[in-house]
Amino acid sequence: SQTIHQWPATLVQPVGSPLSLECTVEGTSNPNLYWYRQAAGRGLQLLFYSVGIGQISSEVPQNLSASRPQDRQFILSSKKLLLSDSGFYLCAWSPNISNQPQHFGDGTRLSIL
Amino acid sequence: QKEVEQNSGPLSVPEGAIASLNCTYSDRGSQSFFWYRQYSGKSPELIMFIYSNGDKEDGRFTAQLNKASQYVSLLIRDSQPSDSATYLCAVNDYKLSFGAGTTVTVRA
Repeated sequence: SQTIHQWPATLVQPVGSPLSLECTVEGTSNPNLYWYRQAAGRGLQLLFYSVGIGQISSEVPQNLSASRPQDRQFILSSKKLLLSDSGFYLCAWSPNISNQPQHFGDGTRLSIL
Repeated sequence: QKEVEQNSGPLSVPEGAIASLNCTYSDRGSQSFFWYRQYSGKSPELIMFIYSNGDKEDGRFTAQLNKASQYVSLLIRDSQPSDSATYLCAVNDYKLSFGAGTTVTVRA
C-alpha cells in the first residue's frame, strides 16, 4: 500500500531563517505531488504541484519554492521566512491518473517568531 | 466567485441524528467529487468520493451528487461524538479545489 511521510511534525523558526520541509511517498511510481498551506481556521491553499521530476507549477506568488529531485520526493523551501509564512503545511499525493483523490501526509506546523 | 462553496457552519447535531453538509461548485465540467474529514490539528482524511449523479452509501455516510444543479452533499447518519470534525468538500476540475470546510459538532 502507499504511504506518505512528511517531516518535521512541528517547527519553530525565527524570521529571516531558511526553511526546508521534506515529503516522500512509498508504494507508488510517478505520483502527482502537492504542497498546501492551511492558515488557522482557514481552508487549504495550494502552493505547488508537480507531475514529474523537475516539473513544478506554482499556484501563488510567494516567498516559497518547491523542488522534486526524485520521483517520490518533494521539498518545500524558503531562503528567508516571513511572519506570514506561519501555518500548517501539508504534502499530498495522487496517482498520475485523472479524477483521483489526493492523500495527505500528517503535516508540519510551522511557527515563525 | 469561489470555485467551491460550503455552508459556513458550525453545525451542531445531537448524537444519533443526521448531519447534512452541502457543497456547490462553479465548474460545470467537474468530473469527480470528494469529501474529506479533518480533526482539529490533524491532516485531511478521505472519507467519500463520488463520480456519478445520485447517491453513494458507505456505512453511515452517504454522498449525493447532482451535476445539473452543481451540488454535492454528505449525510452522516446516526451521528457520533467521533464525527465531530471539519468536513472539506473537494472538486476536481483541472486540479483539486477545496471548500473552506464545515465544522460539525455532535453533542452527547
